[in-house]
Amino acid sequence: DQQVKQNSPSLSVQEGRISILNCDYTNSMFDYFLWYKKYPAEGPTFLISISSIKDKNEDGRFTVFLNKSAKHLSLHIVPSQPGDSAVYFCAASFFRNAGNMLTFGGGTRLMVKP
Amino acid sequence: DSGVTQTPKHLITATGQRVTLRCSPRSGDLSVYWYQQSLDQGLQFLIQYYNGEERAKGNILERFSAQQFPDLHSELNLSSLELGDSALYFCASSVEGSGEQYFGPGTRLTVT
Repeated sequence: DQQVKQNSPSLSVQEGRISILNCDYTNSMFDYFLWYKKYPAEGPTFLISISSIKDKNEDGRFTVFLNKSAKHLSLHIVPSQPGDSAVYFCAASFFRNAGNMLTFGGGTRLMVKP
Repeated sequence: DSGVTQTPKHLITATGQRVTLRCSPRSGDLSVYWYQQSLDQGLQFLIQYYNGEERAKGNILERFSAQQFPDLHSELNLSSLELGDSALYFCASSVEGSGEQYFGPGTRLTVT
């Protein structure tokens, strides 16, 4: 039972354009959502997060949108740069037994072409 | 650099053996999490420790165990290793009350 899904395994975008990465979840108990970026042979790097009480959070070129009714979140990168080429994971969490384990999607490989 | 360190970076061992992976969290972080990334399963939560106590458990096999020491470093012990245990093992840490987790560079385990 995959509770967090990233349906696009890959995305190719031209440098300077917008990259939109999507993520869907099924568990309505999730109350915190995160995006991570991962290069090969490195650990995931935290990018941006959003609480379920918000519908948008922005940090520089990165904006995350949350649509709770649709159980959908997206990450917008504007403008896209070649250095953004990596695998992007969305993750969700809820506080259970005071823990906040992350449930990850399968990842989307973003390729930004110069 | 996230501030989370993991050793060793690579580990090659044979089936049936036992290994120990080590993690040091960021300074001040009391929570440590272990995740496994395999080709077919993606990133999966294994276990969390908070200030020395087990706090949450995921789909961790009985052959696997972990602990967190008084200096807050953590070790993940994998025993009776099988070929299917070959994976990347990541440690992450966080501040209490924060949703963000910061990941180490991982340990690549290869079981032959």
